[in-house]
Amino acid sequence: EAGVTQSPTHLIKTRGQQATLRCSPISGHTSVYWYQQALGLGLQFLLWYDEGEERNRGNFPPRFSGRQFPNYSSELNVNALELEDSALYLCASSFTGSSGANVLTFGAGSRLTVL
Amino acid sequence: AQSVTQLDSQVPVFEEAPVELRCNYSSSVSVYLFWYVQYPNQGLQLLLKYLSGSTLVKGINGFEAEFNKSQTSFHLRKPSVHISDTAEYFCAVSLLNTGGFKTIFGAGTRLFVKA
Repeated sequence: EAGVTQSPTHLIKTRGQQATLRCSPISGHTSVYWYQQALGLGLQFLLWYDEGEERNRGNFPPRFSGRQFPNYSSELNVNALELEDSALYLCASSFTGSSGANVLTFGAGSRLTVL
Repeated sequence: AQSVTQLDSQVPVFEEAPVELRCNYSSSVSVYLFWYVQYPNQGLQLLLKYLSGSTLVKGINGFEAEFNKSQTSFHLRKPSVHISDTAEYFCAVSLLNTGGFKTIFGAGTRLFVKA
């Protein structure tokens, strides 16, 4: 079974540019989560998509946005990049079973560097 | 508000020694508890989870954790560590809130196993 795949692995941009990161969930998973892991700041929740809709959003400015496609893959867009956006962006997918437990399976991440 | 606190940011330990990584959480609702591990330059991998039932949970690589409801803790233990256990460990809680299911991560504990 293929895991969660993310692309690109690395991305280098300059301030003010836009970045697009992509994520394909595990087959059968309908939820996709995005987290930002900046140096020394742990994992910060960004966005949650389920069945094509945004279900929840973390404490990030509107220039962080995304979408989920009919095949449940997802895209994270970061506009007007700032230096502090440099981080590892992790995507995770899940299938919320009847127990309600939310077991996340993570991808390897996309490392965004803003110069 | 819900939160997860990992009490130690770094834990150095000698090979074959026992280790305990501490995690406390605060929540007014029932939660599901998880430990994830992140090896260098990789995404997060599930170590173990507590959903219900026995409070002692066994995971992969010889790790185990005990859920203590009265102390709102979920400490991770291993009786004898290996060099290969060097990684960052994240405690997480999953809970149902107004926006749906949400997973909150602690800041992480870096385990460094020395020869």
